[in-house]
Amino acid sequence: SQQGEEDPQALSIQEGENATMNCSYKTSINNLQWYRQNSGRGLVHLILIRSNEREKHSGRLRVTLDTSKKSSSLLITASRAADTASYFCATDDYENSGYSTLTFGKGTMLLVSP
Amino acid sequence: DAGVTQSPTHLIKTRGQQVTLRCSPKSGHDTVSWYQQALGQGPQFIFQYYEEEERQRGNFPDRFSGHQFPNYSSELNVNALLLGDSALYLCASRAGPLSGNTIYFGEGSWLTVV
Repeated sequence: SQQGEEDPQALSIQEGENATMNCSYKTSINNLQWYRQNSGRGLVHLILIRSNEREKHSGRLRVTLDTSKKSSSLLITASRAADTASYFCATDDYENSGYSTLTFGKGTMLLVSP
Repeated sequence: DAGVTQSPTHLIKTRGQQVTLRCSPKSGHDTVSWYQQALGQGPQFIFQYYEEEERQRGNFPDRFSGHQFPNYSSELNVNALLLGDSALYLCASRAGPLSGNTIYFGEGSWLTVV
């Protein structure tokens, strides 16, 4: 079953604009990780945010986490055509499950037009 | 530093056949997981190996089996292939099963069952 649900399912913007993707999940987590996937390729890790953190930055990426609302958001600022990809959030619940595995949502497809 | 490597990248099999996919984890990583990603979906957890034993398993039938070797590399075997097994198979690795650290993915193996 899929724990995370990304919103929107698809997003189309122009270069230079900001892109915001949201993720909701159902159970408690230890951390949440965001990944990017170019068409037909593997997953590239973007950011890991732990359950006791509220916000993290990495370059043009900003991730927030609200454990009370069981939600996270990924903001990509000043988007580029190269940012075109699918973006997934994945939750990790190793303290309760005993072993660390990731539960993914269906992803957001981002299209950045020149 | 090589990341997670997988082979083969693409393969085509016939229904009823068996397939073996291979994975070498990122240097320093001892825990390997396998995920199945159908078109348009997020990855689904198959199982995780640590210390050469299957530690956790997702909702997949016994036709899916695996192995981890002393050098931490891993194989995924699927018997009696069905058309529905066509997917991208992703290998992921991390340092320690309960580390809560970043999980890195390989480029995947595209399996087509005809």
